Amino acid sequence: KNQVEQSPQSLIILEGKNCTLQCNYTVSPFSNLRWYKQDTGRGPVSLTIMTFSENTKSNGRYTATLDADTKQSSLHITASQLSDSASYICVVTLYNTDKLIFGTGTRLQVFP
Amino acid sequence: EPEVTQTPSHQVTQMGQEVILRCVPISNHLYFYWYRQILGQKVEFLVSFYNNEISEKSEIFDDQFSVERPDGSNFTLKIRSTKLEDSAMYFCASSEATSDAGELFFGEGSRLTVL
Repeated sequence: KNQVEQSPQSLIILEGKNCTLQCNYTVSPFSNLRWYKQDTGRGPVSLTIMTFSENTKSNGRYTATLDADTKQSSLHITASQLSDSASYICVVTLYNTDKLIFGTGTRLQVFP
Repeated sequence: EPEVTQTPSHQVTQMGQEVILRCVPISNHLYFYWYRQILGQKVEFLVSFYNNEISEKSEIFDDQFSVERPDGSNFTLKIRSTKLEDSAMYFCASSEATSDAGELFFGEGSRLTVL
């Protein structure tokens, strides 16, 4: 079954600290892997998109990695800010379809 | 910056009533999608739409659901006879290319509450 699992479920860090969120997927074959940020009650906003041939992709303080062999991805957030408090969702696109398969997300809270 | 807009932001309806959720995709985008998110659960794919027809739909998207692009700008999701379990946040998205290659831009969502 095509699934996307994320860990941890929730995370609390202090402002200015770094953190890393994990994603494991069983989606096969896949086209690309995305990380989205979703504020409570809002729509998801794209952070990064990586194809299976890419190992890393950065967007400002966000850096995503992908290991297509082990089917793992991570999102590293550097120098966290209060505005980083949100859910971070790993999303995998099934190859040759329109279907995005969403993970359950990691809820990040950044405290001052 | 162009964005996907959705209306209404929140709709409350009685079970069995028809509901239409509206979306205005980004103007030069060709691919349109509806997703839903039941409270506390994952976002789930409902349907994709391209060239005035459904290109793909999930098992959730049964005969009670329909989509339409009635004019050059709007993209609607209709639920014919709402059920309690249809209560969710519904997200519209659009992209220049297919999900395989293109970045999806999501709207802010329409929260549907079925009583």
